[in-house]
Amino acid sequence: EVQLLESGGGLVQPGGSLKLTCAASGFTFSSYGMRWVRQAPGKGLEWLSVITGNGATTYYADSVKGRFTISRDNSKKTLYLQMNSLRAGDTAVYYCVKGGGGWKDAFDYWGQGTLVTVSS
Amino acid sequence: EIVLTQSPDFQSVTPKEKVTITCRASQSIGSNLHWYQQKAGQSPKLLIQYASQSLSGVPSRFSGSGSGTDFTLTISSLEAEDAATYYCHQSSSLRGTFGGGTKVEIK
Repeated sequence: EVQLLESGGGLVQPGGSLKLTCAASGFTFSSYGMRWVRQAPGKGLEWLSVITGNGATTYYADSVKGRFTISRDNSKKTLYLQMNSLRAGDTAVYYCVKGGGGWKDAFDYWGQGTLVTVSS
Repeated sequence: EIVLTQSPDFQSVTPKEKVTITCRASQSIGSNLHWYQQKAGQSPKLLIQYASQSLSGVPSRFSGSGSGTDFTLTISSLEAEDAATYYCHQSSSLRGTFGGGTKVEIK
């Protein structure tokens, strides 16, 4: 059974940093691109970032480019999101998402999400 | 960035009624369009992939159609358990995007 378990969310002050972690199980982690998607309270879904299975290629949404860094450790089956220079607008539930084997595949599994609150 | 525009934003529907949700892309995306269902307090769940491909475990009352820039999600006969927000998502570009969502309420 595929499981994605996010952790690391919490309350952080504006300008601060936070690192999210997603522990994956139930599939060959290194074979799949992984994404982060977020959802602000009461709002829709926002695609944030993707990393290829071998970690060599990453892409970011303009809203987080230069502030967030996606990475992975295939030996630990773990996905990360390092978030720096956080703003109030980054307050959201952050989901770890697995794609299918192809670059254009749909997102077939989602974690339960971890809440990040940016506030003084 | 490819923008996806969903309509309507909200729909209040009687059980057994047919529901139609549309998603329009700002440029052609082929069939690289997927639909998700998000119930209150839950993570999104994949319903339809590649515009019209059904998935195992998804009730047959859910179907998708379209290609290019115009897409439709249809619920043929609404059930109470279908109360949720539905999102479209395009994977044609390297940076994916989502539609704004359509909330379906049961009358």
